[in-house]
Amino acid sequence: DAGVTQSPTHLIKTRGQQVTLRCSPKSGHDTVSWYQQALGQGPQFIFQYYEEEERQRGNFPDRFSGHQFPNYSSELNVNALLLGDSALYLCASSFLMGRGEAFFGQGTRLTVV
Amino acid sequence: AQSVTQLGSHVSVSEGALVLLRCNYSSSVPPYLFWYVQYPNQGLQLLLKYTSAATLVKGINGFEAEFKKSETSFHLTKPSAHMSDAAEYFCAVSVGGGSYIPTFGRGTSLIVHP
Repeated sequence: DAGVTQSPTHLIKTRGQQVTLRCSPKSGHDTVSWYQQALGQGPQFIFQYYEEEERQRGNFPDRFSGHQFPNYSSELNVNALLLGDSALYLCASSFLMGRGEAFFGQGTRLTVV
Repeated sequence: AQSVTQLGSHVSVSEGALVLLRCNYSSSVPPYLFWYVQYPNQGLQLLLKYTSAATLVKGINGFEAEFKKSETSFHLTKPSAHMSDAAEYFCAVSVGGGSYIPTFGRGTSLIVHP
């Protein structure tokens, strides 16, 4: 079992650009949640996808959007990047919108310059 | 809304000493509580969780935590620290009821001295 996999591991983008991050959930999981972890902070919830729909959303602007595919994998898109978007982006997978244990990927480190 | 407060951004102990990481929560309904560990450049790994069963919860790597409703606390302990325990530790709370999204604290960095 490969667990939760995220790609890429590191990314450098310029302000104003757009970025797409990818996540493949653990085998048997159907729910994907995304978190932003700024340096020295705890993870902040961005949104959760289940059955290809956004089910819950944290306090993040519309520049942050996502998608879930029929195979349960997910993408996080961020438009019009700001310097403040620099962070570690974590994907967590679980079953049935988080009723079981959530497993985290190793994250994508995004640096905006 | 639920929240957690982790007391102390850094905790320093000697190898073999007791580890105590403090977490207080706020929740209007019975909470689920979690401790996660994060090693450098890695994701989060679940150490243990409280889901309204036994108040003393045992986790991996010799860690345990006790749920104290009267004190709204869920402190993490380990009798004897190892060098490999050096990492960032996060306390988190969720309230179920259709929303199992954990809210994380700001984290406590555990430093272990030889």
